[in-house]
Amino acid sequence: KNEVEQSPQNLTAQEGEFITINCSYSVGISALHWLQQHPGGGIVSLFMLSSGKKKHGRLIATINIQEKHSSLHITASHPRDSAVYICAVPLGGSQGNLIFGKGTKLSVKP
Amino acid sequence: DGGITQSPKYLFRKEGQNVTLSCEQNLNHDAMYWYRQDPGQGLRLIYYSQIVNDFQKGDIAEGYSVSREKKESFPLTVTSAQKNPTAFYLCASSVTMNTEAFFGQGTRLTVV
Repeated sequence: KNEVEQSPQNLTAQEGEFITINCSYSVGISALHWLQQHPGGGIVSLFMLSSGKKKHGRLIATINIQEKHSSLHITASHPRDSAVYICAVPLGGSQGNLIFGKGTKLSVKP
Repeated sequence: DGGITQSPKYLFRKEGQNVTLSCEQNLNHDAMYWYRQDPGQGLRLIYYSQIVNDFQKGDIAEGYSVSREKKESFPLTVTSAQKNPTAFYLCASSVTMNTEAFFGQGTRLTVV
């Protein structure tokens, strides 16, 4: 059973659209990570959050610990946002020992 | 600039040969990790190290070996015992096991 589920798997949007990517998890956690993987493969950490909401530029991440659900939103999407977005949760108390979702592939068309 | 450096970006090897992937960090992080990514699957933990001269197996350690002789370096050896070595390998580090991890750019290994 996958302990971290993301939806949708693939997402195509037009430039300027508001994007939402969802993540559900089954384990109890202290924090959740959102990561961005570009076509070259390198991964950038976008957010680590344990409650409420965090915002960085056009990216917003929210989490509901009771419902075991998190969302990543992108406002005014741009082609450069095209990437795979990955949700990850820690195994036990370790933020480095992570369980990863399979990712959501986002493609933003001009 | 501080960061995590993985080299090389692309690596080709013949079946049956051992190959070592490099991971160096200058962030002064104690913890380091190796993950493997296959198409359509989430990243999976191979090995991790909380501190110099210590490392632990992750979920898929069979066919791999690591060393942690220096704080900055955590090389991963893919041995001939690894049945499906072709994959994308990511290294990460964090201040401790309980803090946010930072990732390298990855090495894509192809075994022919």
